[in-house]
Amino acid sequence: AQTVTQSQPEMSVQEAETVTLSCTYDTSESDYYLFWYKQPPSRQMILVIRQEAYKQQNATENRFSVNFQKAAKSFSLKISDSQLGDAAMYFCALKTSYDKVIFGPGTSLSVIP
Amino acid sequence: DSGVTQTPKHLITATGQRVTLRCSPRSGDLSVYWYQQSLDQGLQFLIQYYNGEERAKGNILERFSAQQFPDLHSELNLSSLELGDSALYFCASRGTGVGYGYTFGSGTRLTVV
Repeated sequence: AQTVTQSQPEMSVQEAETVTLSCTYDTSESDYYLFWYKQPPSRQMILVIRQEAYKQQNATENRFSVNFQKAAKSFSLKISDSQLGDAAMYFCALKTSYDKVIFGPGTSLSVIP
Repeated sequence: DSGVTQTPKHLITATGQRVTLRCSPRSGDLSVYWYQQSLDQGLQFLIQYYNGEERAKGNILERFSAQQFPDLHSELNLSSLELGDSALYFCASRGTGVGYGYTFGSGTRLTVV
């Protein structure tokens, strides 16, 4: 079975600082995809970044980057130069060949001005 | 605008009633996924359709059913509603590339009173 775990229910960061959100997952498959989604107070689900498991290079999207450790089944999200608009719930997600995406329980990020 | 359209945005109904939630995927997307997000909870996968056919089922109650029509829009039917069915119901669609993440609609907020 596929599982996604986010061990930090809540995190906070000072504006302009860097924060890292943790995610671990479990799958028996070798080919899969990992995602981070952001859900702001509007409740819209927004794709932040994605990583193909076969790629060793960590994905980066502007201020967002990941640390993908395949052997450890770890997929953390780093947010640099945090902004007030980054305050949201962040979900880590896993997609395997079974197609459906499994989401973690989420981490609520607060940004302190 | 994500391109995935969900209607209605809000729905208030009484226990025991039946409602229908509607979703139109992004143009060209054949897959539709339904998720339920209860208050302060993660996203629970309900069901997936691909080009009109049911592809995968998650934790969907027998009181719930769904279908995808020839024009690819999908409907989620919830019957004999209970207070615990109050939640945000998301629809998502996905492009045909295997590595694509979901694109979510803005959700339907269902309140059962």
